[in-house]
Amino acid sequence: GQQVMQIPQYQHVQEGEDFTTYCNSSTTLSNIQWYKQRPGGHPVFLIQLVKSGEVKKQKRLTFQFGEAKKNSSLHITATQTTDVGTYFCAGPTRSNDYKLSFGAGTTVTVRA
Amino acid sequence: NAGVTQTPKFRVLKTGQSMTLLCAQDMNHEYMYWYRQDPGMGLRLIHYSVGEGTTAKGEVPDGYNVSRLKKQNFLLGLESAAPSQTSVYFCASSQTGGFISEQYFGPGTRLTVT
Repeated sequence: GQQVMQIPQYQHVQEGEDFTTYCNSSTTLSNIQWYKQRPGGHPVFLIQLVKSGEVKKQKRLTFQFGEAKKNSSLHITATQTTDVGTYFCAGPTRSNDYKLSFGAGTTVTVRA
Repeated sequence: NAGVTQTPKFRVLKTGQSMTLLCAQDMNHEYMYWYRQDPGMGLRLIHYSVGEGTTAKGEVPDGYNVSRLKKQNFLLGLESAAPSQTSVYFCASSQTGGFISEQYFGPGTRLTVT
């Protein structure tokens, strides 16, 4: 089964509002990656977090890695229509393994 | 650079037919992967390769075979297609590194098995 779980599965957001999506793992992760997939498109890498408690920002997107390295979050401020898509988190199946385990994703729709 | 390319983009098969999906990357990446994506299930790893001439099973390998005869190409074969293999298939590649590095995905192949 999947190693990483994401919640919520769906997020309907009013344009201009903020929202957060969460990623949880049953085991400690050496690192975590986030991808975005636009409708009809392919996953595109957004960011990788490695350090405990790490916080990284990309414009309106803020990514955080938990202190125990078992969870992560993506917070989007002032949501825009360009934020529509599915956001996936992914972690290695074992430390230094070659494989990623992807969460089921959070699909975001935006009401104008 | 084209990045990661996949052919074909769409395909309809009848149950029992066979086909090969081709993935090519021009980034000189060592690692290549085949995923399938089904609604509500994210991306599931079918097979992967850590270098030319090597392949390994992923999470859902049954019914699929792969080959990596050249570093830039990774082929996914379906010997006898089944309706359960209706899905969108993505190929990805990544560079080596201590931590698994970011994956670059192809545009996908939408396969329907009737």
